[in-house]
This record gives sequence, C-alpha cells and structure tokens, in this order.
Amino acid sequence: DAKTTQPPSMDCAEGRAANLPCNHSTISGNEYVYWYRQIHSQGPQYIIHGLKNNETNEMASLIITEDRKSSTLILPHATLRDTAVYYCIDKAAGNKLTFGGGTRVLVKP
Amino acid sequence: SQTIHQWPATLVQPVGSPLSLECTVEGTSNPNLYWYRQAAGRGLQLLFYSVGIGQISSEVPQNLSASRPQDRQFILSSKKLLLSDSGFYLCAWSVRSGNQPQHFGDGTRLSIL
Repeated sequence: DAKTTQPPSMDCAEGRAANLPCNHSTISGNEYVYWYRQIHSQGPQYIIHGLKNNETNEMASLIITEDRKSSTLILPHATLRDTAVYYCIDKAAGNKLTFGGGTRVLVKP
Repeated sequence: SQTIHQWPATLVQPVGSPLSLECTVEGTSNPNLYWYRQAAGRGLQLLFYSVGIGQISSEVPQNLSASRPQDRQFILSSKKLLLSDSGFYLCAWSVRSGNQPQHFGDGTRLSIL
C-alpha cells in the first residue's frame, strides 16, 4: 500500500504555477521522494526525485520540508499538456514503486 | 539518450490463448528491468524484475512468466490467458545503482475476451 497522502484532485489555470502537496510522514532516512505523472492511456512519466535538498530540473521543482514529512511539486508555468494524474512516492533503493491514488490535475485555459 | 519500446500497444486475446509481450531498451547497458500491471482505476502492481540476463524475480504468483534472453530485452509470457489477466502492462528500466528512477514504456493494453 502507498505510504503517501495526496489530495485527490486540483485545478490550475494555464500559465500559472501549480503547487502539488504530498504528505509522507512515515518516510525513512534512506527513502527518497519521487514524483511521476500519468497522462491517460500512457505509461507513468518520471518527473523529479530528491532526498532532503530541494531539487529543480527542466520539468519541475521539488521542495522538501526540513523534517522530510512532506513535499511540494511545483510546475512553474502549467500548460494544458500538464493535465495528468501526479503521483508522489517514497521509496528506498531497490524497493518497488508503489503508486497510490495520486492527484488528478486539470489545467484549465 | 535512453529509450524504451513496448509492443504491441493494444491486444485483444481470447481466454486460453498464449501471450508474448516484448520490451526493449536502447541507450543503456546492464539495466534493471521491470514488468508492472495496472488494473483499471488502480495502482501499479510489480510482476517481475530482472537485474541481469536470465535472472528473474517474481513478486506475485500468477499465470504469467518473464524472461530476459538479452541484456536489454524483457519478455512477458503466458501459456493460457485468463480473464483476470486483462489490464495495462508496463515495462520499465532503471540503472542498477543507487536511487535512480524507473522509466516506463507506453504500455500494452490487454483485453481478454
């Protein structure tokens, strides 16, 4: 079973930043936080991951709280193509990915 | 850059027929390879993973088997499909070391009639 908690859905205006929260209060010291998204009928797409420092790549930024019990994925300028289900996962090396319900993000024009 | 290919994209098979789904990875060597199944409206279930040629670990007992005949080729098979084998099958790869992420193919949607 997934160990993370995410809101089931959220809307975002096109061109605005989308901030997606995730609670992982039982995360262990050796577990990373991974974010994936899945567009309907496609395979999950890796977005970003981190341990305790904030991370940024060409897709998004990941902000992890100091106690590591929660994180926020930031899509800086949401586009209609960012409409998808976003999954937050905490996982140690070698362990399997376990996807929970995720957050269904709808980007509106 | 690395790419992962799965085929076919969709498949409709009668109950009791055999199955062979293929996955290949390009642009990397010695990857870990994975087969997942995603049932409608549910999360991913890891079926098999492999850390090398001929090395297969099964996560759940089932009607399916996996093989890795080459370093970058992973095959999911069944001798006789069941209705419960319907689902969205996903292949993924990752580098072997550390906490590097898994990268997924576009999946095969399998319907059993």
